[in-house]
Amino acid sequence: QVQLVESGGGLVKPGGSLRLSCAASGFTFSDYYMTWIRQAPGKGPEWLSYISTTSGFTKYADSVKGRFTISRDNAKSSLYLQMNSLRVEDTAIYYCARDLAAGYWGQGTLVTVSS
Amino acid sequence: DIQMTQSPSSLSASVGDRVTITCRASQGIRNDLGWYQHKPGKAPKRLIYAASSLQSGVPSRFSGSGSGTEFTLTISSLQPEDFATYYCLQHNSYPYTFGQGTKLEIK
Repeated sequence: QVQLVESGGGLVKPGGSLRLSCAASGFTFSDYYMTWIRQAPGKGPEWLSYISTTSGFTKYADSVKGRFTISRDNAKSSLYLQMNSLRVEDTAIYYCARDLAAGYWGQGTLVTVSS
Repeated sequence: DIQMTQSPSSLSASVGDRVTITCRASQGIRNDLGWYQHKPGKAPKRLIYAASSLQSGVPSRFSGSGSGTEFTLTISSLQPEDFATYYCLQHNSYPYTFGQGTKLEIK
């Protein structure tokens, strides 16, 4: 079955960096666009970024453009999110999801940005 | 950006009730909409894709309808495991956007 497992979350100070990973299994990873979504405390989910199958095309929400970078390693069936210049408002649970329509999600990893 | 207005924001219902949740898009999105169920600490789960297609493995008491700007998720007979938060997601136009959610609670 499709499984997505995020890791790399934690507590970081404002201005700091963090790299999230998502390990995929149960499907042919290289066949699917992949997506990052986050949910801040008490808010609805927010679409952040997606990446095409061969990494040739990426897209970002305005809220993270220029600070976050999505990437993937098809040989390792892994998706990444490099997060720089983190802000307090980036505090959220971060989910990876399969394909543009988010057909499957992981359980998420918590990122807390606080001094 | 396309705004997704979801209603109600919360709902109290009993086991066996029929429940309907609505999402309205600020502009037409064809049928590029999914419905998701989220329970605390678990991975969100897609129930419906393409507005009205049932995701494999999802019970048939869940159904979706609509096209264009108005969409509904219906649960025909609530079961105890259905108490959760539900979201819609439009993937017609970037940035893709979610509704604000409907928290379904036991009456």
